[in-house]
Amino acid sequence: GQQVMQIPQYQHVQEGEDFTTYCNSSTTLSNIQWYKQRPGGHPVFLIQLVKSGEVKKQKRLTFQFGEAKKNSSLHITATQTTDVGTYFCAGQGGSEKLVFGKGTKLTVNP
Amino acid sequence: IAGITQAPTSQILAAGRRMTLRCTQDMRHNAMYWYRQDLGLGLRLIHYSNTAGTTGKGEVPDGYSVSRANTDDFPLTLASAVPSQTSVYFCASSLFGSSEQYFGPGTRLTVT
Repeated sequence: GQQVMQIPQYQHVQEGEDFTTYCNSSTTLSNIQWYKQRPGGHPVFLIQLVKSGEVKKQKRLTFQFGEAKKNSSLHITATQTTDVGTYFCAGQGGSEKLVFGKGTKLTVNP
Repeated sequence: IAGITQAPTSQILAAGRRMTLRCTQDMRHNAMYWYRQDLGLGLRLIHYSNTAGTTGKGEVPDGYSVSRANTDDFPLTLASAVPSQTSVYFCASSLFGSSEQYFGPGTRLTVT
């Protein structure tokens, strides 16, 4: 079945440093979604990418969908303490259900 | 209510007992989902429902059952709880199967 791999599992940064998490699918995706889960909270939807090579920005967050629609990345510029949490990618292929990666837990040292 | 709610917030349950986790949404979403979240394993789909009256199995359905009698409610039942079902359970909904999912606050379940 479809698998979604996400790396790294953990990332510790100093406030102001950049952060990137990567997501790779075993199959071609129809879309990929990104979620953020704050400590003790529930996953919250950030964005959905649908088109090959698509790049979307939300303030300091940049999301990219690969040309082959099998990989994606989330890049945060100049991290802040409010960025702390676990970031999940979730890929969907055709009529398959959304499959979540295991997430990247980001900690930011002030 | 606005959004998606879950009950109870947390529960300690003796092994072998039956338990139903409740989930209600007021967004008139067609699709609903149940996930379990375990440390290091991310979110794993237990069961889903694309529309009222239909349900389907996810990645880890064994030991769980669901029903979808109406649009708003999607209860998850553990017929006979086992310690390996200790987890945080999240209910989610989406307008359609391919659209963004909205998650409830979660139920922390401990089976002893």
